Amino acid sequence: DAGVIQSPRHEVTEMGQEVTLRCKPISGHDYLFWYRQTMMRGLELLIYFNNNVPIDDSGMPEDRFSAKMPNASFSTLKIQPSEPRDSAVYFCASSVSDWGQETQYFGPGTRLLVL
Amino acid sequence: KQEVTQIPAALSVPEGENLVLNCSFTDSAIYNLQWFRQDPGKGLTSLLLIQSSQREQTSGRLNASLDKSSGRSTLYIAASQPGDSATYLCAVRNTGANSKLTFGKGITLSVRP
Repeated sequence: DAGVIQSPRHEVTEMGQEVTLRCKPISGHDYLFWYRQTMMRGLELLIYFNNNVPIDDSGMPEDRFSAKMPNASFSTLKIQPSEPRDSAVYFCASSVSDWGQETQYFGPGTRLLVL
Repeated sequence: KQEVTQIPAALSVPEGENLVLNCSFTDSAIYNLQWFRQDPGKGLTSLLLIQSSQREQTSGRLNASLDKSSGRSTLYIAASQPGDSATYLCAVRNTGANSKLTFGKGITLSVRP
């Protein structure tokens, strides 16, 4: 298995532009998570899905952020309009629904820089 | 609200040394605790997962312990190697429906040859 795939790996954009981050979870995993990592705040959960349905979006910072999961193999995180404070590394992770021994498998991340 | 603390933020040791990384959490009502490794520019990789009913887990040179009542976990690395250099994060999952992982900020370990 190729693991969790994220694209792009790096994104540089200007303030006010729309940014779309993409994620392909591991096949067969029914949970998908979006995280943001910064030096100041560490790793924060933004939103997670179960069977393509958003379960908890309380970590989404503001209305400029939105996430979708149209099918089991694809999810997007969109920022519109982007701001310099959105600069961070965004990770996607997936897991199976086994609450006993589940672990989350992380993608390599998208490093976003908003100028 | 659960808070996870890892101190110190960075650690440098000579190769071969046995070392302990600490993690503390404020709410003892946890379901499980995990230790992750993060290499520069990479995602996180799960190392060990300890259920709340367990005291420790071992994998190779790694041993993680959990003391739920005191809100502490340690990751013990035996005979450290330069390849162990990375950032180590602990994360806890609280009990309750739809509970999510709360991460510490990590400890950046450097093992000098």
